[in-house]
Amino acid sequence: SQKIEQNSEALNIQEGKTATLTCNYTNYSPAYLQWYRQDPGRGPVFLLLIRENEKEKRKERLKVTFDTTLKQSLFHITASQPADSATYLCALSNFGNEKLTFGTGTRLTIIP
Amino acid sequence: EAGVVQSPRYKIIEKKQPVAFWCNPISGHNTLYWYLQNLGQGPELLIRYENEEAVDDSQLPKDRFSAERLKGVDSTLKIQPAELGDSAVYLCASSFRGTSGRDEQFFGPGTRLTVL
Repeated sequence: SQKIEQNSEALNIQEGKTATLTCNYTNYSPAYLQWYRQDPGRGPVFLLLIRENEKEKRKERLKVTFDTTLKQSLFHITASQPADSATYLCALSNFGNEKLTFGTGTRLTIIP
Repeated sequence: EAGVVQSPRYKIIEKKQPVAFWCNPISGHNTLYWYLQNLGQGPELLIRYENEEAVDDSQLPKDRFSAERLKGVDSTLKIQPAELGDSAVYLCASSFRGTSGRDEQFFGPGTRLTVL
């Protein structure tokens, strides 16, 4: 069955460092991969989308990579700030199928 | 621009009671989603609408769950009767299916349901 794993349930990073979150998947051939941020008591907020034929996508301090051979995406936050503390979710969808399947999320805490 | 609106934000009911959640998507968004999110888990799709048509309801437990999207705008998700295991956050999301084919989803704040 399809499975999406995010590297750890919780990750603590010192302020100013780069936070790297991992999303691994099996039994899946996603055409698109998205990253969302979710704060407590709120719905997820879209951050970035990367397509299977793209290696890397950047937006301000965010960078996403997508390796279809390793079946893995890395999500980086550079110069991390306490305001970046949240749960980050990866989500995949197949080509031709609108269904978005989410991972369990990684709770990121940036320590001042 | 107003975001996705959901109500109520919180609901506490006893098991076997009915409950309904309402969602108003972002104006102009033709696709509407209902998700269920358990604590510590990612959202799981229950049903997806394209305008007023339910195009994916394969994960909706149809024995007790129902949904409708009248006139392709607002949507209601109903549970009858509710069970203890239905306690979760119910999220509504919407998107505009443009030419890019894969568009970001905009989520509402969710309704936290507690079944006692």
